[in-house]
Amino acid sequence: DAKTTQPNSMESNEEEPVHLPCNHSTISGTDYIHWYRQLPSQGPEYVIHGLTSNVNNRMASLAIAEDRKSSTLILHRATLRDAAVYYCIKYNNNDMRFGAGTRLTVKP
Amino acid sequence: GAGVSQSPRYKVAKRGQDVALRCDPISGHVSLFWYQQALGQGPEFLTYFQNEAQLDKSGLPSDRFFAERPEGSVSTLKIQRTQQEDSAVYLCASSPGQGAFYGYTFGSGTRLTVV
Repeated sequence: DAKTTQPNSMESNEEEPVHLPCNHSTISGTDYIHWYRQLPSQGPEYVIHGLTSNVNNRMASLAIAEDRKSSTLILHRATLRDAAVYYCIKYNNNDMRFGAGTRLTVKP
Repeated sequence: GAGVSQSPRYKVAKRGQDVALRCDPISGHVSLFWYQQALGQGPEFLTYFQNEAQLDKSGLPSDRFFAERPEGSVSTLKIQRTQQEDSAVYLCASSPGQGAFYGYTFGSGTRLTVV
């Protein structure tokens, strides 16, 4: 089944909010939406996940559209350390397939 | 240890050589995954273990690739007769259990270069 669709790259200014969009129009009822990020020379790092309701944790917020065909990862105040590739993934039953992700650049 | 440990961190192999990549998952984690990441691309799924059972190996690109986890903890990814197209970062991840409620913890990967 199709992976998610994300912009190739985005830019943000330091200390400003960042909204990273993701389209997952083929999502099924049992698919979770997971977000990971990957800093240079490191493995991916779990950020947040959700099913239907919006979710918040210490790293970010996840806003999920009512029809679940899209979602947005929100970094409330970007820092230089948030510069990374962000992956949005439909996840179900140990099946996690990464796309190309969005490369986020944070400008000081 | 506190995280997923992979060794070696870097490996250079001559074409045709066999290599073995090791993954030490977080203690007690039931699920273990291997991914291959080519330069500039997202990780590609290779295979998945639940304890010692290999439940999905659909992502292994050829029969030269073999993975095992004989005691349900440490896993080894073996590549026989390496080719240049095998050059990539190999990532291992572990998770406490099955299902959608657990995030994966990834290691830093092994960068394999085949010359």
